[in-house]
Amino acid sequence: GNSVTQMEGPVTLSEEAFLTINCTYTATGYPSLFWYVQYPGEGLQLLLKATKADDKGSNKGFEATYRKETTSFHLEKGSVQVSDSAVYFCALSPSGGSYIPTFGRGTSLIVHP
Amino acid sequence: DSGVTQTPKHLITATGQRVTLRCSPRSGDLSVYWYQQSLDQGLQFLIQYYNGEERAKGNILERFSAQQFPDLHSELNLSSLELGDSALYFCASSVGGGSTSYEQYFGPGTRLTVT
Repeated sequence: GNSVTQMEGPVTLSEEAFLTINCTYTATGYPSLFWYVQYPGEGLQLLLKATKADDKGSNKGFEATYRKETTSFHLEKGSVQVSDSAVYFCALSPSGGSYIPTFGRGTSLIVHP
Repeated sequence: DSGVTQTPKHLITATGQRVTLRCSPRSGDLSVYWYQQSLDQGLQFLIQYYNGEERAKGNILERFSAQQFPDLHSELNLSSLELGDSALYFCASSVGGGSTSYEQYFGPGTRLTVT
């Protein structure tokens, strides 16, 4: 079946540090890939997405590139802010057969001033 | 604001009881998804409805059921509640139901506490 594996958190950084959150997936075909963010007490919000190999999704300074050869979709940001503190979820949407979306366990990011 | 509404925001009930959670999708969205989020299990997909019909089923217990009504709002019914059912229940919606690229828009969640 499909699966998404994210690095375990929490990830603790100082403001303006570089962020990488690793995400790898297992799926047949060509799934779409997503990053969602969940701020404390809120639901998940779509952060960015990529629908085919080598696509780069970007939003609010965050980027992730769909790498088919390494089945990865790592999230990066060049300079994090305290307001980026949240839980980040990597997810995939399958390309056929089962319509069941698959989410990673989430990675908590804590940014200190 | 995602445009997805969920009621109630909080629910406290006793073991053995039955509750109904309600979700209204974004205007124009035909798909509704239900998820359970707990500390030990993470975000678990429960069930999806598309335009009134069940489209996909995930890790949904037999004690749980859902439906989507003609006006596209959805209800998740949880019965014979157990302590382990305490969790955040999220509803999400998307415009389509069978394509790979439809992102989901999440509601604020219903926090269920079973005592």
